[in-house]
Amino acid sequence: SQQGEEDPQALSIQEGENATMNCSYKTSINNLQWYRQNSGRGLVHLILIRSNEREKHSGRLRVTLDTSKKSSSLLITASRAADTASYFCATVISGSARQLTFGSGTQLTVLP
Amino acid sequence: NAGVMQNPRHLVRRRGQEARLRCSPMKGHSHVYWYRQLPEEGLKFMVYLQKENIIDESGMPKERFSAEFPKEGPSILRIQQVVRGDSAAYFCASSNDPEGRNYGYTFGSGTRLTVV
Repeated sequence: SQQGEEDPQALSIQEGENATMNCSYKTSINNLQWYRQNSGRGLVHLILIRSNEREKHSGRLRVTLDTSKKSSSLLITASRAADTASYFCATVISGSARQLTFGSGTQLTVLP
Repeated sequence: NAGVMQNPRHLVRRRGQEARLRCSPMKGHSHVYWYRQLPEEGLKFMVYLQKENIIDESGMPKERFSAEFPKEGPSILRIQQVVRGDSAAYFCASSNDPEGRNYGYTFGSGTRLTVV
């Protein structure tokens, strides 16, 4: 599996429900970032969590990081139809060049 | 602040032609990254540039692809003698945080290249 793999690949929920997406990675990281991509558009940065942090909040977003399990989760609470998008985790690998390494994404559909 | 500007948004080229993709980073950002996205896949790193320097091109195909970020003007990703397999969305990102330690990157809306 590749660095930064999201699970599930696709998720469909009703408006108002919570959505949880998971990301696993393989190597030591400096930080992990979550991005959203609406269909046919560029990526929008959502949140960054450093390797020495365990949890971070931003509005309706909650991100956790477990470096012992090399995994992260993104929780979107009280989802809205406008949250429908693909969500990607990306890692900055420790000691490497600066590029982000992306997973394949989770396609979230929020039904009205 | 116009963000990261990429043009064109859509580009159609015949096999064998050249494709030139442009990226103007956010004001104040001196670090530019190019990524390629195939349908239903995540983004794959291609190259990282600073003004007049290529810092990391480990994701660039060895042939036909080149990138530059001149002292003046936008960064250019150039694909010579395009083939159908080059069809993809090409995204540019910029940052003023070269280690990516504190901030996320700002992405442009991408250029969708179609090779016919």
